[in-house]
Amino acid sequence: QKEVEQDPGPLSVPEGAIVSLNCTYSNSAFQYFMWYRQYSRKGPELLMYTYSSGNKEDGRFTAQVDKSSKYISLFIRDSQPSDSATYLCAMSGGSARQLTFGSGTQLTVLP
Amino acid sequence: NAGVTQTPKFQVLKTGQSMTLQCAQDMNHNSMYWYRQDPGMGLRLIYYSASEGTTDKGEVPNGYNVSRLNKREFSLRLESAAPSQTSVYFCASRVAGGQYEQFFGPGTRLTVL
Repeated sequence: QKEVEQDPGPLSVPEGAIVSLNCTYSNSAFQYFMWYRQYSRKGPELLMYTYSSGNKEDGRFTAQVDKSSKYISLFIRDSQPSDSATYLCAMSGGSARQLTFGSGTQLTVLP
Repeated sequence: NAGVTQTPKFQVLKTGQSMTLQCAQDMNHNSMYWYRQDPGMGLRLIYYSASEGTTDKGEVPNGYNVSRLNKREFSLRLESAAPSQTSVYFCASRVAGGQYEQFFGPGTRLTVL
């Protein structure tokens, strides 16, 4: 079993929809949770970063962490075609600051 | 600032050939990482260097070697390429301390025939 599980999709939604992306994990030591966005043929870039449980909002994006359920989510409101990308969850808890990534969810927002 | 740069962008090798992937960062970051990305597998850590002069194995180090040439540069070497090493390779860097964000380069697409 992988330490981090993420539904690979693909996920296709109409413009303006609310998108929910999720990851589950098994390592209780994870404390830092991130979402990266990766456009086609590009390197990943950090989108959201949260520490421990709770919600964090940044514009149209909300990251949610539920450590009791070992479950994290990324919500995208009013989705735009420019949001079409692969979204990777990542998490860490060790002193070496290594990240463990999910396999990524491919999202397409249709105009 | 160029951020993290990688060369080459594309490479085709034959089985058994060797090559070195180059990575450089101009952000004065202490830590550097090499990942490979395969369909359905996400990003997997090959090697990392927590600081200049140190390197450590990640999740999938077999078949690879690394050199932290100086604070800016971190290279990945394939001594005898195998088809299983066909992948997209990403280099990343991180400042230090409590900052977890890693900054990624544009990637190298490698095909081993």
